Amino acid sequence: DAGVTQSPTHLIKTRGQQVTLRCSPKSGHDTVSWYQQALGQGPQFIFQYYEEEERQRGNFPDRFSGHQFPNYSSELNVNALLLGDSALYLCASSLFDRSEEPQHFGDGTRLSIL
Amino acid sequence: EDQVTQSPEALRLQEGESSSLNCSYTVSGLRGLFWYRQDPGKGPEFLFTLYSAGEEKEKERLKATLTKKESFLHITAPKPEDSATYLCAVYTSGTYKYIFGTGTRLKVLA
Repeated sequence: DAGVTQSPTHLIKTRGQQVTLRCSPKSGHDTVSWYQQALGQGPQFIFQYYEEEERQRGNFPDRFSGHQFPNYSSELNVNALLLGDSALYLCASSLFDRSEEPQHFGDGTRLSIL
Repeated sequence: EDQVTQSPEALRLQEGESSSLNCSYTVSGLRGLFWYRQDPGKGPEFLFTLYSAGEEKEKERLKATLTKKESFLHITAPKPEDSATYLCAVYTSGTYKYIFGTGTRLKVLA
């Protein structure tokens, strides 16, 4: 049973560039949430996708956008990268109708901005 | 505003030295409290879910408890392989979002 997979594992970009991160949810899950985790901090909620629509959003600027595909996989896009965007980006999957159950996380994409 | 606070930020224990990690929360309508373990460079790994005050869950050397204001993760006779960051998260009916604490970095020395 495949868990949550994310790609790439590491990425280096420069300020002003754009980046796309990818996530495949755990088999059977229909909801994908994205988090940003700075070094030494807990994950911060970016947004959640269900049925190809953004359902919830955290306190992040609209430089952060996403997409969900019919197969439930998802992408996180970040435009006009800033040094402060350097972080571990985590994807978590769950069932929308069982949102009180735990989310399952991938191992993240480490994004470094130079 | 919903808030989750974990303490201590870091903890060093000798192997076999039991201790507890704290997660205090101020939320509107707790729907679930979750404990995760995170190893360096990895994503959080699910440990426990607690739904109501008085509930307890156990797994090997770990035991999680919940009151109306806080949760504790008790570690009994820890081993070096228990070294990790332990994260607490809540899911609330106020925001319908998961809110994480900043975690406790645990180091168990042999």
